[in-house]
Amino acid sequence: GAGVSQSPSNKVTEKGKDVELRCDPISGHTALYWYRQSLGQGLEFLIYFQGNSAPDKSGLPSDRFSAERTGGSVSTLTIQRTQQEDSAVYLCASSTGHGNPQYFGPGTRLLVL
Amino acid sequence: QKEVEQDPGPLSVPEGAIVSLNCTYSNSAFQYFMWYRQYSRKGPELLMYTYSSGNKEDGRFTAQVDKSSKYISLFIRDSQPSDSATYLCAMSEDDYKLSFGAGTTVTVRA
Repeated sequence: GAGVSQSPSNKVTEKGKDVELRCDPISGHTALYWYRQSLGQGLEFLIYFQGNSAPDKSGLPSDRFSAERTGGSVSTLTIQRTQQEDSAVYLCASSTGHGNPQYFGPGTRLLVL
Repeated sequence: QKEVEQDPGPLSVPEGAIVSLNCTYSNSAFQYFMWYRQYSRKGPELLMYTYSSGNKEDGRFTAQVDKSSKYISLFIRDSQPSDSATYLCAMSEDDYKLSFGAGTTVTVRA
């Protein structure tokens, strides 16, 4: 079946602009996760959704970052007023819930100039 | 000190050799343990998933978890050039917030 999909694959933006990153989880997966992968920091947890609710937002690095999930499916990660340090690969994963493994998408490569 | 420590390598082995990878961790509350494989410019691919201590085998892959030593391992038997990738260990207290190692880059020479 289809895996997790993310769009766009690559995004180049100018410092100060807002960006939206999209994640389509595996059909039927109720849990959705966002991570960020950068050279210096490795893979870091950002936020977790169970259905449309986000019980844990503790990994969001600043209030410029926000995420939402609608219909228990698609999720959007928004970064406002992008900074150069936001340049990274943003990865989305989904699972069927507690006690089950997370499956990752291909990621969105964000470059802030 | 990082919560999960993983030697970044690089590790280079001849085809057919056993690849041995490991991670140590400091959080005794971790109870879910995973290994992911990541090819260049791709997302992580789940290889092994274990709960608590013990061994798990899947084809050429064997994962071991020793919670008393806070140490996990992944062994790849009969390694192939297609196994060349970065291998990431990951672990979690409650299976939603994963903590990752830095990843070990492996090259299998034909």
